[in-house]
Amino acid sequence: GQQLNQSPQSMFIQEGEDVSMNCTSSSIFNTWLWYKQDPGEGPVLLIALYKAGELTSNGRLTAQFGITRKDSFLNISASIPSDVGIYFCAGHNYGQNFVFGPGTRLSVLP
Amino acid sequence: DSGVTQTPKHLITATGQRVTLRCSPRSGDLSVYWYQQSLDQGLQFLIQYYNGEERAKGNILERFSAQQFPDLHSELNLSSLELGDSALYFCASSVAGGTSTDTQYFGPGTRLTVL
Repeated sequence: GQQLNQSPQSMFIQEGEDVSMNCTSSSIFNTWLWYKQDPGEGPVLLIALYKAGELTSNGRLTAQFGITRKDSFLNISASIPSDVGIYFCAGHNYGQNFVFGPGTRLSVLP
Repeated sequence: DSGVTQTPKHLITATGQRVTLRCSPRSGDLSVYWYQQSLDQGLQFLIQYYNGEERAKGNILERFSAQQFPDLHSELNLSSLELGDSALYFCASSVAGGTSTDTQYFGPGTRLTVL
């Protein structure tokens, strides 16, 4: 079945640094979604991407829908302590189920 | 607030017991999904319902079952509980009404502890 890979698996950064993470697939998706999950809470939708090449921002977060439709990137600028959490990507095609990546665990050091 | 509600927030029970988790989707969403997340693990897809009918099945055990009612709320039933069933259980909903730009929204989850 379809699988998503996320890299890095985990990362430790200093407060104020920029963060980049990505999600790759062997299959094409028509929608890419990025979620953040705080410990013990439900994943919260950060950004939704619907068009190849699309670049979308949400505050300090910027995500891009890869031109090949097989990948997506999430960048966080000027990280702050509350950015700590697990970031999940998900891909979707019409009529099919959502496919989730294993997550990137982000830790921010003060 | 995603608009997806789940009850209860926490559930503690003993092995061998049966529990029911409840989910109400966002207004207008026809699809409900159930996921299991064990400690420090990813999201394991269990099952999807669309407008009252089962649409997709994932890694759902035979001891688990779900249904979606006419008012679109859904229940996940877990029976003959084992210690390994302790996990966070999330419900998510989406429109799934024919658009290619479907987006999934998650509820706050139910933390199940089996003692």
